[in-house]
Amino acid sequence: AQSVSQHNHHVILSEAASLELGCNYSYGGTVNLFWYVQYPGQHLQLLLKYFSGDPLVKGIKGFEAEFIKSKFSFNLRKPSVQWSDTAEYFCAVKVDRGSTLGRLYFGRGTQLTVWP
Amino acid sequence: EPEVTQTPSHQVTQMGQEVILRCVPISNHLYFYWYRQILGQKVEFLVSFYNNEISEKSEIFDDQFSVERPDGSNFTLKIRSTKLEDSAMYFCASSEGGTGTGWETQYFGPGTRLLVL
Repeated sequence: AQSVSQHNHHVILSEAASLELGCNYSYGGTVNLFWYVQYPGQHLQLLLKYFSGDPLVKGIKGFEAEFIKSKFSFNLRKPSVQWSDTAEYFCAVKVDRGSTLGRLYFGRGTQLTVWP
Repeated sequence: EPEVTQTPSHQVTQMGQEVILRCVPISNHLYFYWYRQILGQKVEFLVSFYNNEISEKSEIFDDQFSVERPDGSNFTLKIRSTKLEDSAMYFCASSEGGTGTGWETQYFGPGTRLLVL
């Protein structure tokens, strides 16, 4: 079975600090990669996604992620966090078997707390 | 912006009772999913559904579970006889299908928190 690892369970930062959240997956073939965010009391929202092409993808709210195939990684970054970025962040992977359908494999999530 | 909606937001039930969790996917979406998250654990895939049939199900999705699209808008998850370990947050998701870069993206509802006593 595929697995997705998020090594940081809880990250605490001050505003304006830089952020990098790690995500590694275990599948050796073609994958689609996603970062979702869940703000307090809200549902999972798509932050950004990678399907193919430029491995550096930009998402909403100044977030970006880089796909490094050789490292099986898709780390999330933001140069300067804000208090409003406090949320739980989930990395998810879909195995690309050429089918529209496909389950997402999620990491455990990283709780980010940003102090003003 | 269209959203996936789920009802109820919370459900408390007695062990052995049947529950039905309801979802309204985004209207032009063709692919539907259920996931669950037990407290403190990962979000786990349960089932995917397309063209009025199950496309894929996980090992969690045993005979106690069933899904249905009873009309053109609702997508339901039924747990026939709930167990204590079914207590979790249940998420519905939908995706568009077709071509283009957005078609594989799954959009999630707010979840139903199920507590089995």
